[in-house]
Amino acid sequence: SAVISQKPSRDICQRGTSLTIQCQVDSQVTMMFWYRQQPGQSLTLIATANQGSEATYESGFVIDKFPISRPNLTFSTLTVSNMSPEDSSIYLCSVEDYTYNEQFFGPGTRLTVL
Amino acid sequence: RKEVEQDPGPFNVPEGATVAFNCTYSNSASQSFFWYRQDCRKEPKLLMSVYSSGNEDGRFTAQLNRASQYISLLIRDSKLSDSATYLCVVNPLGNQFYFGTGTSLTVIP
Repeated sequence: SAVISQKPSRDICQRGTSLTIQCQVDSQVTMMFWYRQQPGQSLTLIATANQGSEATYESGFVIDKFPISRPNLTFSTLTVSNMSPEDSSIYLCSVEDYTYNEQFFGPGTRLTVL
Repeated sequence: RKEVEQDPGPFNVPEGATVAFNCTYSNSASQSFFWYRQDCRKEPKLLMSVYSSGNEDGRFTAQLNRASQYISLLIRDSKLSDSATYLCVVNPLGNQFYFGTGTSLTVIP
């Protein structure tokens, strides 16, 4: 199974600012995924981060608001730009083990926007 | 219509009880199904995959009904440590995973 770490684990930010979340995997993976889990809700896929190409965003999410980098096969960043209180959420990165068709998640970044 | 729908609960059951959760999915072409467990303030972790023939892992039994497009999870002899949110997950096309909103379970001493 993949071991995934995320930084920061939590942050409190002022509206209008931006936060970059880092995700590190202990093995090389083709695709990494970024999810959002708002309070009391389930996980919503923001985008799929592909190494060497632009991220693929889901409906309702745009690159200007959530720019993603994927510089290599073990690392990705998600930036939450021009934050508002509605962006307060847990942000999780994940990778898929194609052998067992299982997704592994990082511990999440708990973001609070004041 | 949502891809995956679950009863959010909460389910509050005494220790030793049997509890069942159901989940329905909308895409009849879905191929892969899972139950994930999420503890409070933790990330989701795979509990078990759901196979067409049904599968059992200790006190946990998962079943799939393709005709009715629902998945179930049965927990027997509930333990306090089973308290968590259980997420139904469907992977229709081998790419994106769709998560249900989760069913909250609290096992009471």
